[in-house]
Amino acid sequence: EVQLLQSGGGLVQPGGSLRLSCVASGFTFGKSVVNWVRQAPGRGLEWLSGITESGDSTFYVDSVKGRFTISRDNAKNTLYLQMDSLRVDDTAIYYCANGTTGFDHWGQGALVTVAS
Amino acid sequence: DIVMTQSPDSLAVSLGERATIHCKSSQSVLFTSGKNSLAWYQQRPGQPPKLLIYWASTRESGVPDRFSGSGSGTDFTLTINTLQAEDVAVYYCQQYYSTPLTFGQGTKMEIK
Repeated sequence: EVQLLQSGGGLVQPGGSLRLSCVASGFTFGKSVVNWVRQAPGRGLEWLSGITESGDSTFYVDSVKGRFTISRDNAKNTLYLQMDSLRVDDTAIYYCANGTTGFDHWGQGALVTVAS
Repeated sequence: DIVMTQSPDSLAVSLGERATIHCKSSQSVLFTSGKNSLAWYQQRPGQPPKLLIYWASTRESGVPDRFSGSGSGTDFTLTINTLQAEDVAVYYCQQYYSTPLTFGQGTKMEIK
């Protein structure tokens, strides 16, 4: 069974940092493109970032470019999102998701709240 | 960036009836291969999204055949035949033609 198990959410002050993790199992993680998607309270889905199988290439939406960093450790089957310079409007549920022709598996989500 | 626009924003359909959701992209998502880089998702309350359709019309494994996708270029449709109570959810389209990958704003499906 494919699973993406997320951790690392929580409450952080504006300007602070947080790192999300997503541990994969049930598929060959090192052969899968993986992504981060978020959903602000009561809002729609926003793709944030993606990383290729080897980690050689990364992609970001403009709103997080320069503040968030996606990375992966294929030996640990783990995807990361380092979030710096967090703003109040970064408050959302953050999901990891794998796939290229649509996201066929999703993590359970991690709530990140940015507030003072 | 490719902007995805869904219509309607919300939809109320009787059980057993057909529901249709439209998605329009601001530019074509048709690859030279002839495939459209368009996916549909269902998100039930409190859950992560679930992939229903990819390549605009290919049903994901395990998805009931009452769900179907159609369209090409910039105009796409998700059809739910014989609506069931468990189909109450928000539905999103997404293009994966180019980064940034983008989603439609969502269509909320309710039972009439």
